[in-house]
Amino acid sequence: EPEVTQTPSHQVTQMGQEVILRCVPISNHLYFYWYRQILGQKVEFLVSFYNNEISEKSEIFDDQFSVERPDGSNFTLKIRSTKLEDSAMYFCASSETEANVLTFGAGSRLTVL
Amino acid sequence: AQSVTQLDSHVSVSEGTPVLLRCNYSSSYSPSLFWYVQHPNKGLQLLLKYTSAATLVKGINGFEAEFKKSETSFHLTKPSAHMSDAAEYFCVVSTRPGYSTLTFGKGTMLLVSP
Repeated sequence: EPEVTQTPSHQVTQMGQEVILRCVPISNHLYFYWYRQILGQKVEFLVSFYNNEISEKSEIFDDQFSVERPDGSNFTLKIRSTKLEDSAMYFCASSETEANVLTFGAGSRLTVL
Repeated sequence: AQSVTQLDSHVSVSEGTPVLLRCNYSSSYSPSLFWYVQHPNKGLQLLLKYTSAATLVKGINGFEAEFKKSETSFHLTKPSAHMSDAAEYFCVVSTRPGYSTLTFGKGTMLLVSP
C-alpha cells in the first residue's frame, strides 16, 4: 500500500536554528498538507499546498514557516528560526484530490532546546 | 467553527470485551466525520469515514461508528477488543465541505489488557 514517508523521524535542534522537515507524498497525489501536534494537545492544521502554491494556511503558519516542493517528489516544511514552542510532532499528508481522504505519514518529532 | 470533543483521554478494556470510544462534534453544516488511529511510530491511519450516506459506518479491523445527528455524536465501537487494537484514536471533522482541512479531537488512548 502506498505510504507517505517523512524524514527525519526525530530531530533535536537549538533555539534559533533553521529546521527542514521532509516528506515524500504518494506519487499520484496532488494536494499536500502539514499538521502538527504539540505534546498533550490536539493535532492542528498548518498549511495545504496545491499546484505549487499555498491554498490555505492557519494562524499558526506565520512568517517563520515556509513550504516548498523543490522537485517532483519531495514536500518540505522549513522553520526559519525555531522557538521552544515549535517542539511538536509534525505530520505530512497528501491526497489525490481536495475531496479525497488524507493519507498521513508517521510524523517527524521536533525537539527545540 | 467546527470542533470535536473526545470525552475520554484513556480507555482500558480487556481482550475480548467491547470497545466504546466517544466523540461529540459541533458543526455549522452537515459534517464529514472520520476516525483515525495511530499505532506507535506509525502514521495516522484512516479507520472509517461518514459523509452523509448511511449513518452506521463500517471501517477496518471490525470497527464501526454511528452518526447520530440528534446527539451530535459519532462514537466508535468494536464488539471484541484485540491486543493489536491498542493505539491512540482520533475523532476528526472536516472544517468545511470537502476534506482537506481537518479539525482533530485530542485523542483517546485505548489500552487492551490480556
